[in-house]
Amino acid sequence: KNEVEQSPQNLTAQEGEFITINCSYSVGISALHWLQQHPGGGIVSLFMLSSGKKKHGRLIATINIQEKHSSLHITASHPRDSAVYICAVEGGGSNYKLTFGKGTLLTVNP
Amino acid sequence: NAGVMQNPRHLVRRRGQEARLRCSPMKGHSHVYWYRQLPEEGLKFMVYLQKENIIDESGMPKERFSAEFPKEGPSILRIQQVVRGDSAAYFCASSRTGSGGYEQYFGPGTRLTVT
Repeated sequence: KNEVEQSPQNLTAQEGEFITINCSYSVGISALHWLQQHPGGGIVSLFMLSSGKKKHGRLIATINIQEKHSSLHITASHPRDSAVYICAVEGGGSNYKLTFGKGTLLTVNP
Repeated sequence: NAGVMQNPRHLVRRRGQEARLRCSPMKGHSHVYWYRQLPEEGLKFMVYLQKENIIDESGMPKERFSAEFPKEGPSILRIQQVVRGDSAAYFCASSRTGSGGYEQYFGPGTRLTVT
């Protein structure tokens, strides 16, 4: 069983819809990252958070440490938001390597 | 401030050849991580390095793979005697320190194809 589980695996939405992608993890962490990857493209870091909530433009990320759960929300979705969204956790201690979820493929149709 | 740079962006090698992937971290960053993304699979950690030190190589295959981050110059991921199963996208990331609370910034990746 993967230490980081994302849902859904695939998500199709109409432009303007509110999007939620979920991430659950089973280990203690020092931080959780949300990343974006366009097909064939590089990886962009969207958020790093260890508690509470962060907002950047139309993107909002929340984390509940007690429940080991995080959500990524996209408000007023747009076709350019179409990408793979990846949740990754940082284990802490003296080594900050990331353990990744399998990603959520989001397609936003005009 | 230039981002993380990787080269080459695309690399084609025949089976049995060597592949060298380079990663130049962001200015001021002394920690480098290498990750591999196999086709249709998620990203997996390979190795974590600081200047002149390998901190954690628990994700590296036991044979044919090595990594270094010398005092001067880029970090190098070296794959000897490549096989078709090595075909993947290899990403490096860098951070200012290894302490929690510092983001990892990713490079654009090197896409290795073994023919």
